[in-house]
Amino acid sequence: DGGITQSPKYLFRKEGQNVTLSCEQNLNHDAMYWYRQDPGQGLRLIYYSQIVNDFQKGDIAEGYSVSREKKESFPLTVTSAQKNPTAFYLCASSTRQRSVYEQYFGPGTRLTVT
Amino acid sequence: GNSVTQMEGPVTLSEEAFLTINCTYTATGYPSLFWYVQYPGEGLQLLLKATKADDKGSNKGFEATYRKETTSFHLEKGSVQVSDSAVYFCALSDPASGGSYIPTFGRGTSLIVHP
Repeated sequence: DGGITQSPKYLFRKEGQNVTLSCEQNLNHDAMYWYRQDPGQGLRLIYYSQIVNDFQKGDIAEGYSVSREKKESFPLTVTSAQKNPTAFYLCASSTRQRSVYEQYFGPGTRLTVT
Repeated sequence: GNSVTQMEGPVTLSEEAFLTINCTYTATGYPSLFWYVQYPGEGLQLLLKATKADDKGSNKGFEATYRKETTSFHLEKGSVQVSDSAVYFCALSDPASGGSYIPTFGRGTSLIVHP
């Protein structure tokens, strides 16, 4: 079955440590995205990538970094510079079908930093 | 710029009640419209979509009609179940904006259905 995999489901880190969240898709989608979701809040875009080896900052990129070396993979690193990293992180991908971009989401990673 | 406005939640209903969640939008061009659903602790799933005026998207008993004249895409269901308890997000994708592959999401509306 095609889909998006995020691992791990839960992640715990100490303050001051960098942590990398995994996102893999086998849908052959060109575009991939990272969102952050806080309790009771909507989605905020962190980074997005339309093609391999290219990515752009979203609305809240400070303290985060990404890479896109393969079409299938778009890992997100939460650095120690991110002031409030505890949140639910969602990865998504999309492709264009008849001029419509429809997003497919992974199950999410809940990061807790103490 | 583009924006999506949803009614604030939580919306609390009894089982078998009628559901409406309002969604209005502003867009530069002629957007496609979506409803996504997020169950507790999970990612978002596409619930339904509509790509042109007067289109009706439907899935699992939910419906929404693309109303260009009122720039709305309200979500409805005739008889909700406890299993429909989730957060619902309205979203648009606007081909007139340079980044049409970047959707605009509403803030989400929490639905709680009691037995």
